[in-house]
Amino acid sequence: AQKVTQAQTEISVVEKEDVTLDCVYETRDTTYYLFWYKQPPSGELVFLIRRNSFDEQNEISGRYSWNFQKSTSSFNFTITASQVVDSAVYFCALWVSGNQFYFGTGTSLTVIP
Amino acid sequence: DGGITQSPKYLFRKEGQNVTLSCEQNLNHDAMYWYRQDPGQGLRLIYYSQIVNDFQKGDIAEGYSVSREKKESFPLTVTSAQKNPTAFYLCASSIGYRGLNTEAFFGQGTRLTVV
Repeated sequence: AQKVTQAQTEISVVEKEDVTLDCVYETRDTTYYLFWYKQPPSGELVFLIRRNSFDEQNEISGRYSWNFQKSTSSFNFTITASQVVDSAVYFCALWVSGNQFYFGTGTSLTVIP
Repeated sequence: DGGITQSPKYLFRKEGQNVTLSCEQNLNHDAMYWYRQDPGQGLRLIYYSQIVNDFQKGDIAEGYSVSREKKESFPLTVTSAQKNPTAFYLCASSIGYRGLNTEAFFGQGTRLTVV
């Protein structure tokens, strides 16, 4: 069975602080993909990153970075020097063969000015 | 521009009525999905389709129906059998062909309220 766990329901940080959003996944498939999405108040999910199971390299994109560790089945997301515009709900997702995405319950991030 | 269009953005339904939510994509994607999101909760899969004229139930299909007569369109009908339909509905698509994977692209959602 596939499962994605985002244990942090809500996080509040003060602007310019760093924040890490946790994501733990479960799957027995050896080929899978992991994703992070951002959901601003408008509701549409915005794609942030996609990572396949064979690529454990960490990735950095501006203030965003992702740490993928197969040993702990985690795919954590860090925002450096957070800004008010980062306030949103963030979802981690897993895709395996069979063409279905499995989403975590999301982490609501509030950045306080 | 390529993307997914959901309509309407807001929808009000009287109890006992069926309503249909529209989802159209011009990304030439094979796979399409419908998700339901309740306040403070994650996305739950209602139905998905990997190819025209074929679709599968997700985790919460009861009270919903879909059709996939065209590659571009995947409408969702919320029937009167769905006891608690008030929610935010998101449609998505991805390449989904022969196991290929890309990210899912999402529409802007339809907020359905039962009055």
